[in-house]
Amino acid sequence: EVQLVESGGGLVKPGGSLRLSCAASGFTFGDAWMSWVRQAPGKGLEWVGRIKSKADGETTDYAAPVKGRFTISRDDSKNTLYLQMNSLKTEDTAMYYCARSKYFDYWGQGTLVTVSS
Amino acid sequence: QLVLTQSPSASASLGASVKLTCTLSSGHRSYAIAWHQQQPEKGPRYLMKVNSDGSQNRGDGIPDRFSGSTSGAERYLTISSLQFDDEADYYCQTWDTGGVFGGGTKLTVL
Repeated sequence: EVQLVESGGGLVKPGGSLRLSCAASGFTFGDAWMSWVRQAPGKGLEWVGRIKSKADGETTDYAAPVKGRFTISRDDSKNTLYLQMNSLKTEDTAMYYCARSKYFDYWGQGTLVTVSS
Repeated sequence: QLVLTQSPSASASLGASVKLTCTLSSGHRSYAIAWHQQQPEKGPRYLMKVNSDGSQNRGDGIPDRFSGSTSGAERYLTISSLQFDDEADYYCQTWDTGGVFGGGTKLTVL
């Protein structure tokens, strides 16, 4: 059974940093392209960024609002995806989900990030 | 720029069918899309991928009450034999230089 489990969310002050993790199981994690998607309270889904598989160069791409502040990485030996978030803003407050593949065929349950003073 | 357009809301009666629409912006009618369901207070769930030729690939455990189809730049999600449990937000999604989501359709089951 495919499972994605996010962790690491919490309350952080504007300008602060946070690292989210997504533990994967039930599939060959190293072969998968993985994304982070977020959802601000009461709003729709917003793609944050993606990392390709090692075979495809582990290339990363990011949405404009987070480019230069967020970094996606992966540790295939631990079947884990990461999202390093720096210089956090209040508008980054959202539930953060990890999702598998180009068409997000599996999602985690999400981890809540609140940016507030 | 690739944009996906969805109606903000839809409603249908228990046991009936409903067809939700996702429209691809000009110049992008060949793109495949995916449909995702988000029930209240839950995370999204992948329903299916719908290709430009109308073929579909349902996700694991998705009943065949959910079906996808295509007409030109429009991609559809049809839900038949509506249940109260189908009351949710439905998002279409595709891929360009990054992931792209439609604004979502809130489905109410009457």
